[in-house]
Amino acid sequence: DAKTTQPNSMESNEEEPVHLPCNHSTISGTDYIHWYRQLPSQGPEYVIHGLTSNVNNRMASLAIAEDRKSSTLILHRATLRDAAVYYCILRDGVGLWAGGTSYGKLTFGQGTILTVHP
Amino acid sequence: SAVISQKPSRDICQRGTSLTIQCQVDSQVTMMFWYRQQPGQSLTLIATANQGSEATYESGFVIDKFPISRPNLTFSTLTVSNMSPEDSSIYLCSVEFGINTEAFFGQGTRLTVV
Repeated sequence: DAKTTQPNSMESNEEEPVHLPCNHSTISGTDYIHWYRQLPSQGPEYVIHGLTSNVNNRMASLAIAEDRKSSTLILHRATLRDAAVYYCILRDGVGLWAGGTSYGKLTFGQGTILTVHP
Repeated sequence: SAVISQKPSRDICQRGTSLTIQCQVDSQVTMMFWYRQQPGQSLTLIATANQGSEATYESGFVIDKFPISRPNLTFSTLTVSNMSPEDSSIYLCSVEFGINTEAFFGQGTRLTVV
């Protein structure tokens, strides 16, 4: 799986937007960009994913560079509950096959520890 | 979506013994994944379990140490065999429904080996 590079930590104030960057210069054309977060003492939680176009959902937005070598997770208004480790992951689109469906392993890096101040 | 239940949620075990961790999913899934998260570290994939076939292990993990069963489409077990303190970690199972979908994780099993 391709590698990603994220800052070790970032800080934000409550109610402010947060931009979490991720570099993936060796991304291939079939790699999906996934973001997960892990709150303390919990399993990882899906945030958002995309392939080429920017994506929005109720939790966040994902901005993908035109060359796909970087992306940014945007939390529009940080809350204290958003304090977590955020993982940017590339999922290989040429991965596992079963029952006619393609699956992709998640290769976790060290992630970015987001601290949100009240 | 999928809701995953793992049992036990935590355990303290003696070295040299084995622990079997159960993962129950509320819907049928073809592929299940087992991860390990050592203290203060990120998650590392142990193996991929496809129902009806042998599990596929990642580099550094072997079947004798981490045997996996996948008897049906909603259940899997991971056994940590002949445990040592270095096996103290959180073990998580995960499922997904395809490359372009989200993965769902259990809450994890926190294992301490003494």
